[in-house]
Amino acid sequence: DQQVKQNSPSLSVQEGRISILNCDYTNSMFDYFLWYKKYPAEGPTFLISISSIKDKNEDGRFTVFLNKSAKHLSLHIVPSQPGDSAVYFCAASADSGNTPLVFGKGTRLSVIA
Amino acid sequence: DVKVTQSSRYLVKRTGEKVFLECVQDMDHENMFWYRQDPGLGLRLIYFSYDVKMKEKGDIPEGYSVSREKKERFSLILESASTNQTSMYLCASSLLGLGRASGNTIYFGEGSWLTVV
Repeated sequence: DQQVKQNSPSLSVQEGRISILNCDYTNSMFDYFLWYKKYPAEGPTFLISISSIKDKNEDGRFTVFLNKSAKHLSLHIVPSQPGDSAVYFCAASADSGNTPLVFGKGTRLSVIA
Repeated sequence: DVKVTQSSRYLVKRTGEKVFLECVQDMDHENMFWYRQDPGLGLRLIYFSYDVKMKEKGDIPEGYSVSREKKERFSLILESASTNQTSMYLCASSLLGLGRASGNTIYFGEGSWLTVV
């Protein structure tokens, strides 16, 4: 049973436009959420996180929104750049991060110049 | 900068061979993890460890074992490799408790591509 779901395997966006990547979760104990970016043949790198006490966290071009009632979070990238083309993983943890992260299956973002 | 080093980037092994994947981190992190990544399946947790000589099963431990004799080193062992263990293996480490306030996270190595033939 998947606890973290990324229902879109892929997404294509034009350079300069907004990219919106979505993530849903089922475990109400999750209280800490992260996004990771992964290029081929490399390990994932941390992008941005949000705790359940917030509904928004911003870092430069990246913003994560959390809707606890809907058990939904999204990552917004504005403006999208070709270098953003990668696989993005949503991850969640319970107990303020004291339990291992549970990852979604990932969304492959392609930013077209 | 945190560094998680996986000693082998690319390996080709025969079915039935014993395989060791080594991982070392240099930030004195308590937690260490082994994940595997497969297309369409995302990152799945194999084993993790919160302390030396301590291990916990993840979601897919079958066919694997681990060893943590020193804090900085976490080894993944395939006792008898099979073709369905062909995958990218990712080691990661983190401080004890990710911490909602600090924005702490886990750090991944570059990955080890294992092909079992």
